[in-house]
Amino acid sequence: QITLKESGPTLVKPTQTLTLTCTFSGFSLSTPGVGVAWIRQPPGKALEWLTLIYWDDDKRYRPSLESRITIVKDTSKNHVVLVMTNMDPVDTATYYCAHVPPGRGENFFDSWGQGTLVTVSS
Amino acid sequence: DIVMTQSPDSLAVSLGARATITCKSSQSVLKSSDKKNYLAWYQQKPGQPPKLLFYWASTRESGVPARFSGSGSGTDFTLTISRLQAEDVAVYYCHQYYSTPWAFGQGTKVEIK
Repeated sequence: QITLKESGPTLVKPTQTLTLTCTFSGFSLSTPGVGVAWIRQPPGKALEWLTLIYWDDDKRYRPSLESRITIVKDTSKNHVVLVMTNMDPVDTATYYCAHVPPGRGENFFDSWGQGTLVTVSS
Repeated sequence: DIVMTQSPDSLAVSLGARATITCKSSQSVLKSSDKKNYLAWYQQKPGQPPKLLFYWASTRESGVPARFSGSGSGTDFTLTISRLQAEDVAVYYCHQYYSTPWAFGQGTKVEIK
């Protein structure tokens, strides 16, 4: 059974850097084809894909946020970390991490964490 | 970037009746090399994360009830709930994974009439 859980601060100030950790079990990020993505959802709004890291350390970023976000993995600890700089109130959202199944082109999200609400406010 | 547009934004359906949600992509998500539509559907209930319902437009995820069906190809897709149950009240999202940035529709809220 695949599980994912997001952790990190619930409140950050404008201009600060957000660091979120996704801790997962039930799969390995060393398995060929597997990936972990970050998706966010502002309160009452739609989902927005942010970034994804694959088993081989290949990474994809949302172009509009690429200058502000970094994704890294620690395979030995079953962690994936999202770093987002220069936070703004518009970045207030629930941040989810999700599992990407192995397979050529299978970039959908078949398991999700419960999400963590991050509020950006002074 | 591919833009995903769902309709309607919300709909109220009687218990046992059919609910139909459409999703339109601004360009085709059908890949000629493998003849697959790179389109998924998710269900999100209040206070919960999204749950995958369909991938490749019409492949039902394990455990999803048979009253749910996904169809369509190219740029036009449909999610149908054949006989709405109370537990189907949720927001439904389509998602294209054909090309980055991967994009979701704005969501369709399904309620009981």
